[in-house]
Amino acid sequence: KQEVTQIPAALSVPEGENLVLNCSFTDSAIYNLQWFRQDPGKGLTSLLLIQSSQREQTSGRLNASLDKSSGRSTLYIAASQPGDSATYLCAVITGNNRKLIWGLGTSLAVNP
Amino acid sequence: EAGVVQSPRYKIIEKKQPVAFWCNPISGHNTLYWYLQNLGQGPELLIRYENEEAVDDSQLPKDRFSAERLKGVDSTLKIQPAELGDSAVYLCASSLDPTDRGHNEQFFGPGTRLTVL
Repeated sequence: KQEVTQIPAALSVPEGENLVLNCSFTDSAIYNLQWFRQDPGKGLTSLLLIQSSQREQTSGRLNASLDKSSGRSTLYIAASQPGDSATYLCAVITGNNRKLIWGLGTSLAVNP
Repeated sequence: EAGVVQSPRYKIIEKKQPVAFWCNPISGHNTLYWYLQNLGQGPELLIRYENEEAVDDSQLPKDRFSAERLKGVDSTLKIQPAELGDSAVYLCASSLDPTDRGHNEQFFGPGTRLTVL
């Protein structure tokens, strides 16, 4: 059974820092991995999708990497800003049912 | 391009009352998902449609929940009767083609926050 874990559960950093959020999964036979952000009381915004054959994806100040063999993905945020404050969730799809298996998220606070 | 649209954004009802949520996916997306999200948890899939066919409804509590996507575009999720434990955020998502690794990214709507009193 696929399980997704995100560490740390919460993170508080000063503005301008580069930071790394971690996601690990127990079954390496994933279809793809998707990173989302969720603002309080809001829906989920897709940030990056990494297909199983890819090693990384980049969007602006965000870079996500994938190491299937070790069951890990990292989301790198460069030059963090207060507007980056949100909960970041990773989710993987395993198998033919196309069901997203979610981590519990990392709650990020970027302080001015 | 418009994103996934959901209405209403908020709904407060008394227990045992019926409630319905509506979702319009991104144009051209043939797959539509309904999720339930409790506070501090990740979303839980309720039902997945490919066009008008419900291909995964194993997690849908069928005694009180129903869904439809009659023309393969917008969808309605209904609860009748609602219970206190149904209070949650109901999220709708869509993807272009889940069978294509390059086009199975899921895009979410803003959700409907349901409060059952």
